[in-house]
Amino acid sequence: GEDVEQSLFLSVREGDSSVINCTYTDSSSTYLYWYKQEPGAGLQLLTYIFSNMDMKQDQRLTVLLNKKDKHLSLRIADTQTGDSAIYFCAERGRDDKIIFGKGTRLHILP
Amino acid sequence: GAGVSQSPSNKVTEKGKDVELRCDPISGHTALYWYRQSLGQGLEFLIYFQGNSAPDKSGLPSDRFSAERTGGSVSTLTIQRTQQEDSAVYLCVCGSLGQYFGPGTRLTVT
Repeated sequence: GEDVEQSLFLSVREGDSSVINCTYTDSSSTYLYWYKQEPGAGLQLLTYIFSNMDMKQDQRLTVLLNKKDKHLSLRIADTQTGDSAIYFCAERGRDDKIIFGKGTRLHILP
Repeated sequence: GAGVSQSPSNKVTEKGKDVELRCDPISGHTALYWYRQSLGQGLEFLIYFQGNSAPDKSGLPSDRFSAERTGGSVSTLTIQRTQQEDSAVYLCVCGSLGQYFGPGTRLTVT
């Protein structure tokens, strides 16, 4: 079945760029997503990319998609303490099922 | 309402009892998903409703789990003969992009 993998932890110094990586298995994915879950809060959709795109930029966020390698990344420029959260990668297949990774906990070092 | 609502917000039940969880989605959104999130884990897909199509039940972990969506709006997730491993936060998500998350129902089976 479909699977989404991401590393569980990432530590980054405040002001540096954070890069969170994700791999997925479904070659028929239509959308790839990044969600953010702040401590004690629910998930919120951060950004998404269509599978026929290879890059999407939105302010401090850059999403890169390598469809050949089934690799998705989220880059957060100038990481701030407010970026501390769990980031979930997700993919949506042709059956419209959205499969989530286990989440990457981003820790910001002062 | 302005967003997705779920009830109850918290439910503590004894092992072996049945529980019913409710989701009131945002009006007009035909796509509705149920997920569960166990402590420190990612989101596990349970079931997906899309309009009048037959639901995708492929994520339901056992036949103790069932869900329905009446009139294309309110959805209920029923767990029969609850077990301790059913303890989790149950999330309802709606929107064609999976972008609207409910606050979740925290189920604790004692």
